[in-house]
Amino acid sequence: GAVVSQHPSWVICKSGTSVKIECRSLDFQATTMFWYRQFPKQSLMLMATSNEGSKATYEQGVEKDKFLINHASLTLSTLTVTSAHPEDSSFYICSASLGSGYGYTFGSGTRLTVV
Amino acid sequence: GIQVEQSPPDLILQEGANSTLRCNFSDSVNNLQWFHQNPWGQLINLFYIPSGTKQNGRLSATTVATERYSLLYISSSQTTDSGVYFCAGTNDMRFGAGTRLTVKP
Repeated sequence: GAVVSQHPSWVICKSGTSVKIECRSLDFQATTMFWYRQFPKQSLMLMATSNEGSKATYEQGVEKDKFLINHASLTLSTLTVTSAHPEDSSFYICSASLGSGYGYTFGSGTRLTVV
Repeated sequence: GIQVEQSPPDLILQEGANSTLRCNFSDSVNNLQWFHQNPWGQLINLFYIPSGTKQNGRLSATTVATERYSLLYISSSQTTDSGVYFCAGTNDMRFGAGTRLTVKP
């Protein structure tokens, strides 16, 4: 079955620094990946759709200059939180699909804490 | 985007009880998935179900695409079923608010 690997599982960083989160499709190629953030006891909020070889499509209200998405290959998408602040602390999770007719598989998520 | 409404928001059951969770969509969806988020945050895919009924052990799901809703049935619930259940239409993978299930021993 489709496996999505996300790294790191958790990260603590200082305010003002940048953090990169990786999302890999291990046994399949994914032209599209989705990035979400989730606050405690809330639902998953779609941040952006990552498209291989082209610019990501961001949801309304998500700052594209703050949350940089790069989908340089068919198996890797990265989310970089730039100039992180404490309010960026959250659970970030990615998903990918084998393609049309298949469901989406999620990575294990990254818990970001900005101090 | 498509609006997803889930009910009930919270559900507390005694172990062994049955339950039905509902997912309504504001517009047609090509496909629908049900997920279970465990206490560690991992999202487990339960069903990928565009229409009809599927069963997997104590869980089953029914989607009536023409009426824009899907149901998730949990029978003989166990404490390990606790967590949050989400549905999402695979058109744009937007999630409902979820149903938080607590199964008590």
